[in-house]
Amino acid sequence: NAGVTQTPKFQVLKTGQSMTLQCAQDMNHNSMYWYRQDPGMGLRLIYYSASEGTTDKGEVPNGYNVSRLNKREFSLRLESAAPSQTSVYFCATRADSTDTQYFGPGTRLTVL
Amino acid sequence: GENVEQHPSTLSVQEGDSAVIKCTYSDSASNYFPWYKQELGKGPQLIIDIRSNVGEKKDQRIAVTLNKTAKHFSLHITETQPEDSAVYFCAASSPSNYQLIWGAGTKLIIKP
Repeated sequence: NAGVTQTPKFQVLKTGQSMTLQCAQDMNHNSMYWYRQDPGMGLRLIYYSASEGTTDKGEVPNGYNVSRLNKREFSLRLESAAPSQTSVYFCATRADSTDTQYFGPGTRLTVL
Repeated sequence: GENVEQHPSTLSVQEGDSAVIKCTYSDSASNYFPWYKQELGKGPQLIIDIRSNVGEKKDQRIAVTLNKTAKHFSLHITETQPEDSAVYFCAASSPSNYQLIWGAGTKLIIKP
């Protein structure tokens, strides 16, 4: 029972490169979230998915796309990375019956 | 939209003393207020939460208080221990969605 897993743990990109951050959960939760965490700013919601096949924009969606591949997996794609996207990215899940969000260990992304 | 402010940004207390972290929110419709603890290199983890129909909630050495009139809530940790050292985040959400708006975080340092 791994909970919420994220890959990769670390990534360095050059400006303009693309990449996909992967998130998978074995908790059978419907809701999944992508956040970014920057120093002094807490967590900001990028996109969320209330169920398989649905996605919605959060507070800071520009420059990102998401795919809810199935109930288990929710990926975040950067099509053309920019230095402003240097951050730590967290995936989280939530069961319908609770407000508690469960977080993965994060991906530290640096864009040069 | 909702805005959550958290103070202080850093708090240093002697082991065994109490620590208090405060948050204010702007949206009077918010009704759910969780506190998360983030240890170095990990994702945030829920430690306690409170709903707007309750004024105080305790769990062993941790307590949360809510003042709806003043729109602020606080985390109280008594008899602090070295393992309490971490970054603590408050958040708020409204009944219209399950999106959490996060405070900027407080780094709690427990001095031996």
